[in-house]
Parts: sequence; structure tokens; C-alpha cells
Amino acid sequence: QVQLQESGPGLVKPSQTLSLTCTVSGDSITSGPYYWTWIRQPAGKGLEWIGRIYTSGSTNYNPSLKSRVTVSLDTSKNQFSLNLTSVTAADTAVYHCARSSRISYYLDVWGKGTTVTVSS
Amino acid sequence: EIVMTQSPATLSVSPGERATLSCRASQSVNSHLAWYQHKPGQAPRLLIYGASTRATGIPARFSGSGSGTEFTLTISSLQSEDFAVYFCQQYKNWPPLTFGQGTRLEIK
Repeated sequence: QVQLQESGPGLVKPSQTLSLTCTVSGDSITSGPYYWTWIRQPAGKGLEWIGRIYTSGSTNYNPSLKSRVTVSLDTSKNQFSLNLTSVTAADTAVYHCARSSRISYYLDVWGKGTTVTVSS
Repeated sequence: EIVMTQSPATLSVSPGERATLSCRASQSVNSHLAWYQHKPGQAPRLLIYGASTRATGIPARFSGSGSGTEFTLTISSLQSEDFAVYFCQQYKNWPPLTFGQGTRLEIK
């Protein structure tokens, strides 16, 4: 059974870079035609899709965040990562990683999420 | 960007009763609609995809219907473990994939 676990700093200073990692267990990150995805949820608000990476390394990003976001893959560690630059308080949220197939983009496996607060 | 609107924001239902949750898309998503259940401190769980197909291991009391812009998630007889937040997601048009704001299902 595939499981996802987010990790990274819980506190980031304004203007700095938020960096999170999602560790995939139970299967190889390259075993199937999957998209590996980041989603976030600010407190009291709905979910926001951030971006995703395919097992080939190709990426797609939310246009509203595209200038600040990078999603990357580390197949040797069975992980994928999120970098979000120039953060502000508006980036404070619970960040989830998730998986979808290449054919249909519903998210069949999620991580529990990790809380990131942007504050000085 | 397709905007997903869920109603009601909060639904109070007694155990054993039926719950009906709605999700509306700002433009047609055909049947490219998924429903998820989210409990505090847990990973969201996929319930329904393709608007009406139950995901692996999901009990039959969960059913989805609709197409185009109007969708419904029905829980036929609420169990104690069903009280949670439910949200819908469209995956027809991207980027970005978009989600509803969620419906909190609480015990009456």
C-alpha cells in the first residue's frame, strides 16, 4: 500500500524559500504513470492545487503560483519536493502531497499534511 | 479556471439518516469529478471518481451522481465514522485542478 509523508520546516521567514519533501513508501516513485502533486489549504479556506511532476520529470503549475514554484523528483530517495520562493503570510497553510494517475487526475493517495507558518 | 461551489457549508444529520451534499461547477466538467473525505489529522481519502464510481474499499452507502455542472454525494445511512469534511474536485480542465470549499458533516 502506497503511503506519502510530508516533511520540512514548520516555520519560514517572510521573503525566504519554503522547502518541503514528500517521501513515498510502499512502491517506487517511478513504478507507474503517476503525477506527484502538491496541494495546500490555508486555515479556514479551501484546497489549492499548487503543481505536479510526472515520473518523466515534466511539470505543471498553478498559474497563480507559477513564478515562485518548483516541483522536483529525487528517484534515488523515492521522494519529490516543493520549493516556493519569496513567501509571505499568505503562504501559511497545511501542505499535502498526493498522487494521481496520468489518465485521470483525481488524487487516489494523499499524505496527512504538514503545517507551514510564514512569520518573522 | 473552473470554480467549484459546495453546499451547504455545514450539514447536521443524525446517525442512521441520509446525507445529501452538493457540488456545482462554474462550467461543464462532464463526469470528471471526484469526492473526498477528510478527517482532522488524517490524509484525505478518495471516495468517488468519475462522478459516480466508488474508489477501492469505499462502502456502498456512499454514492455519487450528476454530470456537467451539478453533482451530488449521498451517504445513505450515516455511521459515526462518516462525520467529517467532504470536498469535491474537478479534473477536466487544468491547470489548475480545482476544489470546492468543503461541506462539514456534523452530528445532529
